[in-house]
Amino acid sequence: GQNIDQPTEMTATEGAIVQINCTYQTSGFNGLFWYQQHAGEAPTFLSYNVLDGLEEKGRFSSFLSRSKGYSYLLLKELQMKDSASYLCADRGSTLGRLYFGRGTQLTVWP
Amino acid sequence: NAGVTQTPKFQVLKTGQSMTLQCAQDMNHEYMSWYRQDPGMGLRLIHYSVGAGITDQGEVPNGYNVSRSTTEDFPLRLLSAAPSQTSVYFCASRSTGNTEAFFGQGTRLTVV
Repeated sequence: GQNIDQPTEMTATEGAIVQINCTYQTSGFNGLFWYQQHAGEAPTFLSYNVLDGLEEKGRFSSFLSRSKGYSYLLLKELQMKDSASYLCADRGSTLGRLYFGRGTQLTVWP
Repeated sequence: NAGVTQTPKFQVLKTGQSMTLQCAQDMNHEYMSWYRQDPGMGLRLIHYSVGAGITDQGEVPNGYNVSRSTTEDFPLRLLSAAPSQTSVYFCASRSTGNTEAFFGQGTRLTVV
């Protein structure tokens, strides 16, 4: 795990679909989290993937490919309230640690 | 449920002062961590603990101390505050295994 990379900023319009990508180091990987963080607030959990494939939760879905060291968060039917920073985090191999990427700031325009 | 409680929410310190940021969780989680968040830097791990009596350093431990005398509490001590420690600090806890972390509401610290 670790060496997490995700885009710094993305923009989209209301009602659209956006995909936020995250890449990580495959050695020592033990699972990948996505968090949402609104400005001035604490991060909140969105999803967790440890096996390959797509996990769907309402308008949000998360995908994982362990062999490629790649994950994405898919947000459908975007709403203004989805404007936030989205953080990708790798569980890694060290007990108790989570490794966070720098976050992707998503702005949703009307 | 209270979850993870951090105090204070805001603090202004003068350079050289010391203080303790408090963090308590009521979910009986084994793992607790302290992060700092600066613009453009994401969440950087300061110290973490995998259980009472066990702590370890993260990416940016210099200038900070921690202790874990109980499962519930994980205070973060700034020994001699510096302007570079101006940041937003988050405490998080999670249980063992493949579980998500729960975050406190953050402490906004300014060192002048």
